[in-house]
Amino acid sequence: DQQVKQNSPSLSVQEGRISILNCDYTNSMFDYFLWYKKYPAEGPTFLISISSIKDKNEDGRFTVFLNKSAKHLSLHIVPSQPGDSAVYFCAASQNNNDMRFGAGTRLTVKP
Amino acid sequence: DTAVSQTPKYLVTQMGNDKSIKCEQNLGHDTMYWYKQDSKKFLKIMFSYNNKELIINETVPNRFSPKSPDKAHLNLHINSLELGDSAVYFCASSQVSSGANVLTFGAGSRLTVL
Repeated sequence: DQQVKQNSPSLSVQEGRISILNCDYTNSMFDYFLWYKKYPAEGPTFLISISSIKDKNEDGRFTVFLNKSAKHLSLHIVPSQPGDSAVYFCAASQNNNDMRFGAGTRLTVKP
Repeated sequence: DTAVSQTPKYLVTQMGNDKSIKCEQNLGHDTMYWYKQDSKKFLKIMFSYNNKELIINETVPNRFSPKSPDKAHLNLHINSLELGDSAVYFCASSQVSSGANVLTFGAGSRLTVL
């Protein structure tokens, strides 16, 4: 039972443009959502999080939007840079236990 | 360097063998985890330990046995390895940051069972 889904396995954008990575979830009890970034041969690293009581959280070029009614969140990166090319994982947890991850979206930012 | 370190990074072995993967964190975190990333790239939680006590034990074959000698270490021992055990295994530790439980991952250990 995959409670966190990232339906786009890959995304390619031009440098300087906006990257939008999407994530859907099924468990309405999730109270925190996180995005992780993973480079090849490394472990995922934390990028940004959002509480279920908020609908937006911003950190520099990264903004996460949460739509609870649609059980959907998205990560916006603007402007995109070649160094942003990586696999992005969406994750969600309930009561800070048992974090569930999506399958990841591979972002390629072309110079 | 403050980090989560796991060894070995690569492990190639025959079916039926027993192997271990070690994990250590020097971040002072209380909770440690093992995740498995399979061929479909999903990251699935296997175990979670908090202060050496087992908190989460997902549906994992009992051939997998985690051991936490202290809160800075969580090792994974696998008996009677099978082909389907081939995967990348990630160790992680966590702390709560601005309310969210943020995981710090090791670099992964790629296990190949022949």
